[in-house]
Amino acid sequence: QKEVEQDPGPLSVPEGAIVSLNCTYSNSAFQYFMWYRQYSRKGPELLMYTYSSGNKEDGRFTAQVDKSSKYISLFIRDSQPSDSATYLCAMSANRNYQLIWGAGTKLIIKP
Amino acid sequence: DAGVTQSPTHLIKTRGQQVTLRCSPKSGHDTVSWYQQALGQGPQFIFQYYEEEERQRGNFPDRFSGHQFPNYSSELNVNALLLGDSALYLCASSFGRVNEKLFFGSGTQLSVL
Repeated sequence: QKEVEQDPGPLSVPEGAIVSLNCTYSNSAFQYFMWYRQYSRKGPELLMYTYSSGNKEDGRFTAQVDKSSKYISLFIRDSQPSDSATYLCAMSANRNYQLIWGAGTKLIIKP
Repeated sequence: DAGVTQSPTHLIKTRGQQVTLRCSPKSGHDTVSWYQQALGQGPQFIFQYYEEEERQRGNFPDRFSGHQFPNYSSELNVNALLLGDSALYLCASSFGRVNEKLFFGSGTQLSVL
């Protein structure tokens, strides 16, 4: 079993829909949680960073962490075709420790 | 402000050869990490360089080695290439060894034939 599980998709939704992306993990020591967006043939780009449990909002993006369930989510409101990309979750137990990554979910926003 | 730059963008090698990939970190960053990303997978951590020393290493064999220069740029070397080494190699930079906000380059696509 992988430390971080993420549905590979693809997830296809119409433009303007609310998108929900999720990751589950097994290591209860994880405290730092990140979401990265990766376009085809590009490196990942940091979208959201959250420490411990709770919610964080930035524009159309909301990140949620539920440490009791070992479950994190990324919500995208008013989705746009430009949001079409692969979304990767990453997490670590310590700011200096290596990140453990999910496999990524491919998201397709249909115009 | 230049971001993270990697070279070359693409590389084709044959089994048994050796390869060197290069990375220049984002301005102001002093830490470089290297990742391997196979198709359809998340990045796998290879190692991290800080103050010209390898500080952390993932589960990769000794065929994978690196170097960091005084100007913070870095090289990844892979010896005795295997078909399974074909992947996108990503360089990420940060400041002070902190991994919470990594900036990635566009990667080097390595194909081993």
